[in-house]
Amino acid sequence: NAGVTQTPKFQVLKTGQSMTLQCAQDMNHEYMSWYRQDPGMGLRLIHYSVGAGITDQGEVPNGYNVSRSTTEDFPLRLLSAAPSQTSVYFCASSMTGDGGYTFGSGTRLTVV
Amino acid sequence: GQQVMQIPQYQHVQEGEDFTTYCNSSTTLSNIQWYKQRPGGHPVFLIQLVKSGEVKKQKRLTFQFGEAKKNSSLHITATQTTDVGTYFCAGRGTYKYIFGTGTRLKVLA
Repeated sequence: NAGVTQTPKFQVLKTGQSMTLQCAQDMNHEYMSWYRQDPGMGLRLIHYSVGAGITDQGEVPNGYNVSRSTTEDFPLRLLSAAPSQTSVYFCASSMTGDGGYTFGSGTRLTVV
Repeated sequence: GQQVMQIPQYQHVQEGEDFTTYCNSSTTLSNIQWYKQRPGGHPVFLIQLVKSGEVKKQKRLTFQFGEAKKNSSLHITATQTTDVGTYFCAGRGTYKYIFGTGTRLKVLA
């Protein structure tokens, strides 16, 4: 039982490049979310999903896309990386919307 | 939109002193969760409060949910060096949780 697995752990991108941050969970959780964490800003919700095929925007969705084709996977796509997207990204999942979230170990992204 | 604020942003305490962080929402919450993040780590779920006025305890940690369900607090009695980290509250709106800005706790031995 691996929990929530995020890959890669570290990534450096050049401005304008695109990439996908991977998130997978093996707990059969319906709810999954992506957060970014910046110093002094706490955790800000980017996108979330309440089940396979259903996604919605959070607080800071611009520049990011998501899809949820399976219960297990919830990838986050950066369309055209910008320095403002330098951050630590966390994926989290929960069995129901009312339960505590299990977080992955994070992806530290630097855009130069 | 929904906003969740936490105070203080930072707190340094001597080991053995008490610590409290406060969480305030701009809207009424259906429930509130608390998380702890150790330096360099990821947030870890501590507890969830659902009922108005609810109080829950975990060893030295006491969690309260306000009567109006718009604020919450976490109190640590007699802090230890293992309490070091950032404490976040997360308030539930519709289908999603909005995290507070966090309180970073440093415990001086």
